Amino acid sequence: DAGVIQSPRHEVTEMGQEVTLRCKPISGHDYLFWYRQTMMRGLELLIYFNNNVPIDDSGMPEDRFSAKMPNASFSTLKIQPSEPRDSAVYFCASTFGSGNTIYFGEGSWLTVV
Amino acid sequence: AQSVAQPEDQVNVAEGNPLTVKCTYSVSGNPYLFWYVQYPNRGLQFLLKYITGDNLVKGSYGFEAEFNKSQTSFHLKKPSALVSDSALYFCAVRDNQAGTALIFGKGTTLSVSS
Repeated sequence: DAGVIQSPRHEVTEMGQEVTLRCKPISGHDYLFWYRQTMMRGLELLIYFNNNVPIDDSGMPEDRFSAKMPNASFSTLKIQPSEPRDSAVYFCASTFGSGNTIYFGEGSWLTVV
Repeated sequence: AQSVAQPEDQVNVAEGNPLTVKCTYSVSGNPYLFWYVQYPNRGLQFLLKYITGDNLVKGSYGFEAEFNKSQTSFHLKKPSALVSDSALYFCAVRDNQAGTALIFGKGTTLSVSS
């Protein structure tokens, strides 16, 4: 299996621009998670889906952030408009069922200037 | 609410010596506990997990962890450290009564000197 695939791996954008991060979970997994990693706050859960339905989005920082999962093999995390404080590594992860290992992608490294 | 504490920001150990990376947790139900490792500019890699059963869990790369319910701890250990073990280590917990998402500790940087 190819694992969790994220794109882009690196993105540099200007403040105010829209950013879209993409994720393909491991085939057959029914849970998908978006995490954000920063030096100051560590790893934060932003949102997670079960069977394509958002279950908990309490970690989404504000209305500028939105996430969708239109089908079992694709999810997006969108930031509009982006701000310098959004600079972070965004990880997508997936798993099957509860109690099982959650597998992470390599991350999308976002810099907003 | 679930929480995880990794009390040490950094652990330094000489190659060949045993290492311990500490983790304590707080959950309302029974915990599912995990350790992940992150190398520079990479994603998180799964090392091991405790769900139920034997309190001593063995994982990848010679690592093991001991679940201690009375002390609410899940310390990561390795008998003999390698320079290549140098990385950022994360402990994570999931409350089996409160959903599936993992809550992570702040991470501990392990530095193994030759």
